[in-house]
Amino acid sequence: DAGVTQSPTHLIKTRGQQVTLRCSPKSGHDTVSWYQQALGQGPQFIFQYYEEEERQRGNFPDRFSGHQFPNYSSELNVNALLLGDSALYLCASSSEPGEGYYGYTFGSGTRLTVV
Amino acid sequence: AQSVTQPDIHITVSEGASLELRCNYSYGATPYLFWYVQSPGQGLQLLLKYFSGDTLVQGIKGFEAEFKRSQSSFNLRKPSVHWSDAAEYFCAVATGGSQGNLIFGKGTKLSVKP
Repeated sequence: DAGVTQSPTHLIKTRGQQVTLRCSPKSGHDTVSWYQQALGQGPQFIFQYYEEEERQRGNFPDRFSGHQFPNYSSELNVNALLLGDSALYLCASSSEPGEGYYGYTFGSGTRLTVV
Repeated sequence: AQSVTQPDIHITVSEGASLELRCNYSYGATPYLFWYVQSPGQGLQLLLKYFSGDTLVQGIKGFEAEFKRSQSSFNLRKPSVHWSDAAEYFCAVATGGSQGNLIFGKGTKLSVKP
């Protein structure tokens, strides 16, 4: 049973560019959340998707947007990249909003470097 | 506002020694608390969680944690550390409700001496 799959594993982008990160949830999970983990910090919540809609959002600017597809997979898009966006981006899936964080399974993350 | 504090940035213990990692939280209601472990270049693995009931919870890999409401603490313990336990450990609190998200501490890096 595959866990949460994220792609790509590593990415280097230039300031001002746009990036798309992808996440496939664990089989049977339908809720996807995204977290940003800067170097030396704990993960910070970006947003959560359920039924193809953004359900919750953390304190991140509108440059950060997302999407969830009918197969529950999700994308995180970041526009106008800043050096400060360099981080490990983690995707977490769970089985339903009622379980929410109780059933979180995390992927291994995408390491984004902005130069 | 909810927050999690992990006072120790880096801890070094000898293999076979006991371990305690500290975690303090700030949350108005009954908290849902978690400990995660992260190996280099990896995602987060759940060690244990506390929702209610017995304040001493058992997790995977021989870890346990004790919830102390009076001290707003949820410290992680292991009686005998193995070299494979070297990793970063994160304490987290859920923001509440079935759709809550997690607020993490800044983590404690554990090194194990042979």
